[in-house]
Amino acid sequence: AQSVSQHNHHVILSEAASLELGCNYSYGGTVNLFWYVQYPGQHLQLLLKYFSGDPLVKGIKGFEAEFIKSKFSFNLRKPSVQWSDTAEYFCAVRGSARQLTFGSGTQLTVLP
Amino acid sequence: DAGVTQSPTHLIKTRGQQVTLRCSPKSGHDTVSWYQQALGQGPQFIFQYYEEEERQRGNFPDRFSGHQFPNYSSELNVNALLLGDSALYLCASSLIVREEKLFFGSGTQLSVL
Repeated sequence: AQSVSQHNHHVILSEAASLELGCNYSYGGTVNLFWYVQYPGQHLQLLLKYFSGDPLVKGIKGFEAEFIKSKFSFNLRKPSVQWSDTAEYFCAVRGSARQLTFGSGTQLTVLP
Repeated sequence: DAGVTQSPTHLIKTRGQQVTLRCSPKSGHDTVSWYQQALGQGPQFIFQYYEEEERQRGNFPDRFSGHQFPNYSSELNVNALLLGDSALYLCASSLIVREEKLFFGSGTQLSVL
């Protein structure tokens, strides 16, 4: 069975700080990887996804993620966060079963 | 263009009761998936419907059942409610040919007392 582990439950940063949120997955086959974001009071929305090809993928609002197959990781990064990035971030994986499995989420708080 | 809409937004039930949650997919979408999100956890896949049939199912008991109608809208039914069923229930829609492009609704918050 596939599973996802997000290392940090709550991250607090000041504006302009760099961000890296960890995500590790457990699955032996080919995977699709996703990061979703949930801003306060809003629904879940897709931030970026990896299917194949270049392991460095770019998403909306300056976010990027790197797929490292040997480490089963798909960490999310942003060079300089803004107050508006305050949200909950979920890593998700989809294997051959085609079901989306989410991690438990990381709450990011950006202080102005 | 309406996105995914869910009703009701909040619901309070007591143990042993039955509940029905409703979802209207984004216009043009033909596939509906349901997720359960307990407090402090990520969404967990319940099942997916396409062409009015359950296509995939996660690790949930038979108390959880669903339905998809010809207009692609969907219902989630939970029988014999337990306290542990208290959670946010999310509906997500997509095209079957673009399953990876999921659009989520805002959810129904179910409290079981």
